[in-house]
Amino acid sequence: DQQVKQNSPSLSVQEGRISILNCDYTNSMFDYFLWYKKYPAEGPTFLISISSIKDKNEDGRFTVFLNKSAKHLSLHIVPSQPGDSAVYFCAASETSGTYKYIFGTGTRLKVLA
Amino acid sequence: DAGVIQSPRHEVTEMGQEVTLRCKPISGHNSLFWYRQTMMRGLELLIYFNNNVPIDDSGMPEDRFSAKMPNASFSTLKIQPSEPRDSAVYFCASSGRTGFTEAFFGQGTRLTVV
Repeated sequence: DQQVKQNSPSLSVQEGRISILNCDYTNSMFDYFLWYKKYPAEGPTFLISISSIKDKNEDGRFTVFLNKSAKHLSLHIVPSQPGDSAVYFCAASETSGTYKYIFGTGTRLKVLA
Repeated sequence: DAGVIQSPRHEVTEMGQEVTLRCKPISGHNSLFWYRQTMMRGLELLIYFNNNVPIDDSGMPEDRFSAKMPNASFSTLKIQPSEPRDSAVYFCASSGRTGFTEAFFGQGTRLTVV
């Protein structure tokens, strides 16, 4: 039973355009959401997060949007750069409950130069 | 800080052999996680320790898998006996406190069981 779902296994975007990566979750107890980026042969690295009391968090070219009613979050990268090519994982956590990070299956982003 | 350190980086073993993966979390972190990365399931949580105590091992696939955390600076994940379907990349991660914080990952151990 996949509590965090990333339905797009891959995405290709032209350099300079916007990349939008999507994530859905099923557990209404999740209150903290994170995005990680992973390059080949490396561990995932933290990118950006959002708590359930917000609907948007921005950090430079990266913005995460949260729609609690739809149990949906998205990561926007603007403008996309070739160095952004990686696998992106969405994760969710219950900070007041079991406190463990549940990850999605990942989306492979390829930014074309 | 050196970050989360995992060893070995690569492990090739024959089916039926015992495999031990090792992890040193970031100093001061009190939560430790073992994940397995596969194409089908992404990053799958195997077990979670808090203050060296296993809190949730519901993700451990079967009795062949076991994990220990004898102290705050060391954890092991053991597979005995290993099977080809255990081939995957295994990640260890640690986190500093409960609440709104991220987990830091090691570089992973790529396990191949032949």
